[in-house]
Amino acid sequence: IAGITQAPTSQILAAGRRMTLRCTQDMRHNAMYWYRQDLGLGLRLIHYSNTAGTTGKGEVPDGYSVSRANTDDFPLTLASAVPSQTSVYFCASSDGSPHNEQFFGPGTRLTVL
Amino acid sequence: GQNIDQPTEMTATEGAIVQINCTYQTSGFNGLFWYQQHAGEAPTFLSYNVLDGLEEKGRFSSFLSRSKGYSYLLLKELQMKDSASYLCAVDDDYKLSFGAGTTVTVRA
Repeated sequence: IAGITQAPTSQILAAGRRMTLRCTQDMRHNAMYWYRQDLGLGLRLIHYSNTAGTTGKGEVPDGYSVSRANTDDFPLTLASAVPSQTSVYFCASSDGSPHNEQFFGPGTRLTVL
Repeated sequence: GQNIDQPTEMTATEGAIVQINCTYQTSGFNGLFWYQQHAGEAPTFLSYNVLDGLEEKGRFSSFLSRSKGYSYLLLKELQMKDSASYLCAVDDDYKLSFGAGTTVTVRA
C-alpha cells in the first residue's frame, strides 16, 4: 500500500441497508477525516479523528458513524442508508506537520436507491 | 459557521493567466490551502498560506490577506492539463472547511 486507499470504489445500495466504507493509510498519520462531496456544495466534513481511539463530529455527521481502533484504519458506517446519502466519499489523513496538509484517498462513489 | 466563497466557473485560453479569488469568514484561522481536483479524482495539495503575502511555486502562486479574509490562486502560462476544479480551504482548529470549488476550463 502506498498512501491512502479506500474500498469499495463504487457501490449501489438499497435504502435501509447498512454499509461500511473502508479507509486505510500507511503513512502513520495521526489525523484522519471523512468528507462527502456533492455538486455545488464542495467537500463537507462528516467525522474526524485526531488520533487512534478518538473521534469527533464534523459539519454533517447525522446518519454516519466512525471508529478508530488503530492508526491505519478509519471506517465510515451508514447504519441505514437513505437516498440523500448518495455522494462521493473521500477519506483523508494528515500528520499536522509542517502544517495540516491533508492527503486524500481516491474516493468511493455511493448511490442509494 | 464557516463561509468560504469562490466563483463557480472560469474559462481562459491556453498560455494565459487566470486568478481565482476566495473570500472567507471563519471562527478561527490556522492557514489557507488551495487544492486541485481533476474530474473523477481526489483533491491534491497545491499551496498553503498562513502569513500575509505571496507564495510562488512554479506556474502557481497563492496570495493571502488575513485582515481582508481574502486569498487568490494565480495560474500562469495555462496548459490544457490545468483544466480542473480548484478548492479553497481554511484550516480552522485543525479541520479544513472547503469552498464549493472553481471549475477552470482551459481552451486552445
